[in-house]
Amino acid sequence: DTEVTQTPKHLVMGMTNKKSLKCEQHMGHRAMYWYKQKAKKPPELMFVYSYEKLSINESVPSRFSPECPNSSLLNLHLHALQPEDSALYLCASSPLGGWEQYFGPGTRLTVT
Amino acid sequence: TQLLEQSPQFLSIQEGENLTVYCNSSSVFSSLQWYRQEPGEGPVLLVTVVTGGEVKKLKRLTFQFGDARKDSSLHITAAQPGDTGLYLCSGNTGKLIFGQGTTLQVKP
Repeated sequence: DTEVTQTPKHLVMGMTNKKSLKCEQHMGHRAMYWYKQKAKKPPELMFVYSYEKLSINESVPSRFSPECPNSSLLNLHLHALQPEDSALYLCASSPLGGWEQYFGPGTRLTVT
Repeated sequence: TQLLEQSPQFLSIQEGENLTVYCNSSSVFSSLQWYRQEPGEGPVLLVTVVTGGEVKKLKRLTFQFGDARKDSSLHITAAQPGDTGLYLCSGNTGKLIFGQGTTLQVKP
């Protein structure tokens, strides 16, 4: 299984809502990532988990809260977002120490 | 600041034409990856190059890693509409970084 899955595919939320994005992989990868991507731009790294521990937080606002319940799952909890947070949110995984990343299809988030 | 500069940023060509996308840096990379991303989807890994001077072929796509491992190129022969997408290079120098991307449109 070489697939990273993400749910939901699309999400529309108001600025006062709380929602969560989910990511799952079954490739045995021990590094997982959250990225934010605006149209026609490269992905911007938000968080990195290594062995289920948060290893990198790229100064992301606290309205984004990551969670790694186990080696296969990665969540991104969203609260009090702003319209400028509207973007494609990508999850990726890689073998620890490897640089090839396997991306999920993304969640298209719209904040109204 | 470590940067990967991709050029061109935008490219619109007719079906059947050839094209080359460049990825350049002043830093040395231990490896470099190329991804293609279609609208509304996540990037898909195309290739990893590791050895300076390495050339890899994937059907009509040819990838080259510079001798000094500071630059790479992607050449597409006889482009097809299905090649349309955002092409991204990424490399690591201890931290993974992405180029700005090249948006390719191939018109039928």
